Amino acid sequence: GAVVSQHPSRVICKSGTSVKIECRSLDFQATTMFWYRQFPKQSLMLMATSNEGSKATYEQGVEKDKFLINHASLTLSTLTVTSAHPEDSSFYICSARRVSNTEAFFGQGTRLTVV
Amino acid sequence: DQQVKQNSPSLSVQEGRISILNCDYTNSMFDYFLWYKKYPAEGPTFLISISSIKDKNEDGRFTVFLNKSAKHLSLHIVPSQPGDSAVYFCAASEPTGNQFYFGTGTSLTVIP
Repeated sequence: GAVVSQHPSRVICKSGTSVKIECRSLDFQATTMFWYRQFPKQSLMLMATSNEGSKATYEQGVEKDKFLINHASLTLSTLTVTSAHPEDSSFYICSARRVSNTEAFFGQGTRLTVV
Repeated sequence: DQQVKQNSPSLSVQEGRISILNCDYTNSMFDYFLWYKKYPAEGPTFLISISSIKDKNEDGRFTVFLNKSAKHLSLHIVPSQPGDSAVYFCAASEPTGNQFYFGTGTSLTVIP
């Protein structure tokens, strides 16, 4: 099956610093990737849809200036958490689909801890 | 507003028995449904899907049933195995949409 690779799997950073998370589709081209966030014992919440070559589409309530998304190529999307705060600590997951109405493939997730 | 709901946060089943996980949705436009399995600190893994033109899809030990009139789907695992212990999420999408809407998950424990 298709593979989506997410890096890093864990990161600890200090408050006020920025963290970049990478999401790569390894064996297919993904014009659209998705970034999710999961709080403990809660569902995956869509943060934004990353579109190759254009601006990301953010869900209501997600600060686009804080969560910067760049979809530079058909196989790479990055999420940068800027000026991180402890409340940004969470599990972030990316996903990609080949075409609509097929399953999405998920990255391994990134556990971000802001201290 | 939660468009996809899993009302049972947890479920325990004896090994060898059937596990039934339920999912309800409110958006009648959803036409594609999926189940994912997730271990702690890992990304979800796709299990099985069903489109709205079907009411059943089977893959090995996993069967998904869709009842469109009731806006309800369920995942049956037979026979359940200890390795099935994980959190299971159902998800749904609209025909023209790319995004998935996830339920809150059901934690399945299969007791040896």
